[in-house]
Amino acid sequence: NAGVTQTPKFQVLKTGQSMTLQCAQDMNHNSMYWYRQDPGMGLRLIYYSASEGTTDKGEVPNGYNVSRLNKREFSLRLESAAPSQTSVYFCASSETGNQPQHFGDGTRLSIL
Amino acid sequence: LAKTTQPISMDSYEGQEVNITCSHNNIATNDYITWYQQFPSQGPRFIIQGYKTKVTNEVASLFIPADRKSSTLSLPRVSLSDTAVYYCLVGDMRDNFNKFYFGSGTKLNVKP
Repeated sequence: NAGVTQTPKFQVLKTGQSMTLQCAQDMNHNSMYWYRQDPGMGLRLIYYSASEGTTDKGEVPNGYNVSRLNKREFSLRLESAAPSQTSVYFCASSETGNQPQHFGDGTRLSIL
Repeated sequence: LAKTTQPISMDSYEGQEVNITCSHNNIATNDYITWYQQFPSQGPRFIIQGYKTKVTNEVASLFIPADRKSSTLSLPRVSLSDTAVYYCLVGDMRDNFNKFYFGSGTKLNVKP
């Protein structure tokens, strides 16, 4: 019972490089989310997908793009990485938008 | 979206009952309250959700007074493994989707 799976778990990038973070859920959930968490801080919503085929900006979308590839998969892309994007990235899913969210274990991303 | 306020940190000892209070003074009629738990290096995990009065599950209890301007998460007989950050969130049950704002949460430190 995998739940929400994120890949990779760790990544180091140089400034200006691009990167796609992958997320897949096996719970047949409709809604999916991407958050970032900086040290000692709470989670901030980057983008979300309320249902397959839709995506919308969250609280901190600048510098990111997303793709809801199908119902299972929701990817986050950094086109030109910046040191300010060094963070832990969490993907989550929920049955619908007002149901509890299930989180992955995160991707720890460092940008030098 | 109702803003929530929680204590930054709390200390407790093993075996004690811990109560974490969240203030949400401008909660709306259709808002509900959800609590999450986050261990270091992991994504948040749903604990409990409620609208009014008292809700109990195998992990915790949630007390919500009649005016609903605050809520209290109660953890019975905590152990060292309950050391974590606890987040209180408020969302609108009418919405198909809620953009939750996690804030900084309450860091609970359980001592032996």
